[in-house]
Amino acid sequence: GQQVMQIPQYQHVQEGEDFTTYCNSSTTLSNIQWYKQRPGGHPVFLIQLVKSGEVKKQKRLTFQFGEAKKNSSLHITATQTTDVGTYFCAATMDSNYQLIWGAGTKLIIKP
Amino acid sequence: DGGITQSPKYLFRKEGQNVTLSCEQNLNHDAMYWYRQDPGQGLRLIYYSQIVNDFQKGDIAEGYSVSREKKESFPLTVTSAQKNPTAFYLCASSIRTSGTSYNEQFFGPGTRLTVL
Repeated sequence: GQQVMQIPQYQHVQEGEDFTTYCNSSTTLSNIQWYKQRPGGHPVFLIQLVKSGEVKKQKRLTFQFGEAKKNSSLHITATQTTDVGTYFCAATMDSNYQLIWGAGTKLIIKP
Repeated sequence: DGGITQSPKYLFRKEGQNVTLSCEQNLNHDAMYWYRQDPGQGLRLIYYSQIVNDFQKGDIAEGYSVSREKKESFPLTVTSAQKNPTAFYLCASSIRTSGTSYNEQFFGPGTRLTVL
């Protein structure tokens, strides 16, 4: 079936280092959403990207949608302990109402 | 205070028993969804409903059933036919989508089901 591949599965960083997660698809995406799930919590919507080459920023978070609309990334600058959690991308590929979810990237801050 | 509620937070059941998970929303959203999340994995869609009295199977509907008699409520029944029901179940809602316009999903706190 249709899939969105998300890498890496885990990323260990020192507080203050940057973090990046990537989502890739073999088919063109209609749009892509990003969610954050804190440990023990539920996913919370961060942003939606719709246009080819779109870049959006939220404070230390930068979201990009590829020119071909087949990939997307989330970059966090200077991570803080409040950034800990799992970041998911979720995309639609056609007019189907289903979101297809990536497996998530878990951000872990090294003690 | 608007939002989505799921109850209970933790649920234990014996193998072979059916169990119903509650999901209620007061956001006036037309669309509602049920997902299953297993440790270290993404979300997999079980069922979704775009409007009252209508619902569609998702990717992993076998062994589950739903109803949508009211706009606010979308209960999920995990039947004894579900081979591996122990998981974290998440309910979500959104404004009804149309065409390629897609709206964010709002999630409830989830129910952790353990089948003994």
